[in-house]
Amino acid sequence: NAGVTQTPKFQVLKTGQSMTLQCAQDMNHEYMSWYRQDPGMGLRLIHYSVGAGITDQGEVPNGYNVSRSTTEDFPLRLLSAAPSQTSVYFCASSYHSLAGVSTDTQYFGPGTRLTVL
Amino acid sequence: AQKVTQAQTEISVVEKEDVTLDCVYETRDTTYYLFWYKQPPSGELVFLIRRNSFDEQNEISGRYSWNFQKSTSSFNFTITASQVVDSAVYFCALSGRNYGGSQGNLIFGKGTKLSVKP
Repeated sequence: NAGVTQTPKFQVLKTGQSMTLQCAQDMNHEYMSWYRQDPGMGLRLIHYSVGAGITDQGEVPNGYNVSRSTTEDFPLRLLSAAPSQTSVYFCASSYHSLAGVSTDTQYFGPGTRLTVL
Repeated sequence: AQKVTQAQTEISVVEKEDVTLDCVYETRDTTYYLFWYKQPPSGELVFLIRRNSFDEQNEISGRYSWNFQKSTSSFNFTITASQVVDSAVYFCALSGRNYGGSQGNLIFGKGTKLSVKP
């Protein structure tokens, strides 16, 4: 198994550009999520999904869209990039969720380092 | 609301010293899960341990041990005989359901940066 994969590893955008961060897992996990990591802030949840066709907002959803058309993929879209979205983005997945809460261990992808100029 | 506090921002020790990383959490859930993750300088997040709220047994894995105490809402992590390779940022996290606000999932502390010097 490849586990959780993310592409690209690095990206530089200009303010106002849009892009999609890709996330895929091959473990047949129900639950997938996106976090952003900023210095001194830990990781904060952006969006999550408890299964194909079901997504919901986390703590910091503004400026981001997600969709979950398959179990394997969970892309994160930046609609109009802003410098405040400069961060490291992590995708995670876990096998089981109960009422929207992951009850199993979340495994993280390697991260995407995004810079918005 | 749920919250995880890691009061130690940075810790520096000399190799072979024991070190304890503190984690205090807040939750209204009766069922919840606690985690520790390691983030080495390379940047990936490595899962270390998961604990559910009904299991207060302490756990030892090699040089690592965890002390879970519901009475004090703490889940502390001790590294015995630290090594340079232990240098990393360590995150404590809580999984449960937020009440009143957005339904979240893993709530992370802000991390403790551990530097182990030779």
